[in-house]
Amino acid sequence: AQSVTQPDARVTVSEGASLQLRCKYSYSGTPYLFWYVQYPRQGLQLLLKYYSGDPVVQGVNGFEAEFSKSNSSFHLRKASVHWSDSAVYFCVPITGNTGKLIFGLGTTLQVQP
Amino acid sequence: EAAVTQSPRNKVAVTGGKVTLSCNQTNNHNNMYWYRQDTGHGLRLIHYSYGAGSTEKGDIPDGYKASRPSQENFSLILELATPSQTSVYFCASGGGAGEQYFGPGTRLTVL
Repeated sequence: AQSVTQPDARVTVSEGASLQLRCKYSYSGTPYLFWYVQYPRQGLQLLLKYYSGDPVVQGVNGFEAEFSKSNSSFHLRKASVHWSDSAVYFCVPITGNTGKLIFGLGTTLQVQP
Repeated sequence: EAAVTQSPRNKVAVTGGKVTLSCNQTNNHNNMYWYRQDTGHGLRLIHYSYGAGSTEKGDIPDGYKASRPSQENFSLILELATPSQTSVYFCASGGGAGEQYFGPGTRLTVL
């Protein structure tokens, strides 16, 4: 079965610092993968998506992610974080047959001023 | 602007009462979903739909019904609400590529 692991439950960085949120996937083929963000007391917003092709995908608000088949990873990056990036970030795969998304607990990002 | 909206945004219900949560989407997506989000569990899929007139059970359907009367509308129904159904409920719509777009959520408290 397809699954992802976000090994860091919580990440704290200073404003202006670079960011990497880790995501490791387990899947025999090439998975479809998304990153979602949930700001406090709001719904989830799609940051970016990967289906195939160029392993580096660009998202909204300066986020990007890189798919690595050799490392089974889909890490999220941002060159310089802002305090408003504080949120919960979810790395989400699609199940192959039903198209259902699989949500874990995500990674909580706290940006300190 | 294409969007997913939910109503009500907040609801307090009594145990044993009937609760209906409504969702409307203007994305013209075929698929719609209902999730609940609880601390320690992430988002869990309750029901989903592939189009008007269809509903499918998700991972935790017990105690919930769903109705999809049109392309735009998808309702979640709690016939006999229980305190264990206190949660934040999210509706989403999705197209054929798999990504889903979420509403702002409904905070339900069952007393």
